Amino acid sequence: EVQLVESGGGLVQPGGSLRLSCAASGLIFSDYYMDWVRQAPGKGLEWVGRCRDKVNSYATEYAASVRGRFTISRDDSKNSVYLQMNSLKTEDTAIYYCTRVRSGSYYDYWGQGTLVTVSS
Amino acid sequence: DIQMTQSPSSLSASVGDRVTITCRASQGISNYLAWYQQRPGKVPKLLIYAASTLHSGVPSRFSGSASGTDFTLTISSLQPEDVATYFCQNYYSAPRTFGPGTKVDIK
Repeated sequence: EVQLVESGGGLVQPGGSLRLSCAASGLIFSDYYMDWVRQAPGKGLEWVGRCRDKVNSYATEYAASVRGRFTISRDDSKNSVYLQMNSLKTEDTAIYYCTRVRSGSYYDYWGQGTLVTVSS
Repeated sequence: DIQMTQSPSSLSASVGDRVTITCRASQGISNYLAWYQQRPGKVPKLLIYAASTLHSGVPSRFSGSASGTDFTLTISSLQPEDVATYFCQNYYSAPRTFGPGTKVDIK
């Protein structure tokens, strides 16, 4: 059974940094792209970014709202993907989900999410 | 960027009713569209991909269709466990935008 487990969320002040982790099991992790998606409290879903696989040079792409502040990386030896968030803003407050990208396209597995609160 | 809109934003229907939700893309995305269900307080779940392909384990009362840039999610007979918010998503190109969601509840 595929499981994605996020960790690292918490309360951080504006301008601060946080690193989220997502540990995967039950899949050949290195075969898949991994995306991060977030959801502000009571709001809709927002794509944050993507990390491709080794075959595609671990290439990344980001939403405009986080580009230059957030960095996605992965360690296939640890079956993990990471989201480094710098220069955090109050509008980054959200539940952050990691997702498995199926066929380079849609999300067939989601983690349970980790809450990031940016507040002074 | 491709914008996704959904209508209605919310609806209330009776158990057994046929429910239709529409998603429109601001430009052509072929059939690169997915539908997700998010029950209250839960994680989103994949229902449909490629506009009309039912994901494994999803009840057959759910179906999807496409016509140009308009996409439809249909629940043929609404059940109590279908109370949720439904989101469409474009995966044709980045940014992989979601629609704003349609909240479905029971009348």
